[in-house]
Amino acid sequence: NAGVMQNPRHLVRRRGQEARLRCSPMKGHSHVYWYRQLPEEGLKFMVYLQKENIIDESGMPKERFSAEFPKEGPSILRIQQVVRGDSAAYFCASSPRSPMDTDNYGYTFGSGTRLTVV
Amino acid sequence: AQSVAQPEDQVNVAEGNPLTVKCTYSVSGNPYLFWYVQYPNRGLQFLLKYITGDNLVKGSYGFEAEFNKSQTSFHLKKPSALVSDSALYFCAVRHPFTGGGNKLTFGTGTQLKVEL
Repeated sequence: NAGVMQNPRHLVRRRGQEARLRCSPMKGHSHVYWYRQLPEEGLKFMVYLQKENIIDESGMPKERFSAEFPKEGPSILRIQQVVRGDSAAYFCASSPRSPMDTDNYGYTFGSGTRLTVV
Repeated sequence: AQSVAQPEDQVNVAEGNPLTVKCTYSVSGNPYLFWYVQYPNRGLQFLLKYITGDNLVKGSYGFEAEFNKSQTSFHLKKPSALVSDSALYFCAVRHPFTGGGNKLTFGTGTQLKVEL
């Protein structure tokens, strides 16, 4: 079981470019969560998705950020027209069940994508 | 709104000595509390949780945590530290029923350094 796979591990983008971050959940997991870790801060929730549905996007910035989790393939976090303030580590977590059941098992996190905007 | 505070950016301890990493929370009602550990260039790993029941919970790698409702704390402890315990530790809270919902709210993390 390969765990939660995120790629790329490191991503460098110039201001104004687009960043695409991918997350392949653990096999059998249909719930995906994205978190952002800014320097010197804890992880902040961004969005919770199930296959083909956004369940909770209350942590997503209103502009330039979007996420999807298609029926086939990985979950994608997309950042358009990146700015320096987007530089952070972006973590994906997956679980096989709803949040209520996941509490008994814990989320499984990927190793993160470290985005640097220059 | 729920929040978590980890008052120490770094904790240093000698190998073999007991360690404590502090966490306090602010949530109305009964929270679900978690500890995660992050090794360099790795994702977060689940250590232990408190949902209900015994205030002292035991987790992976010999770690345990004590839930104290009156002090709204959930400190992580280990009786005898190992150099391999050196890592970044995060406390997190999820309120299961009012707001919060799907989100884990994390503290800012405490860097634990265990030295020989």
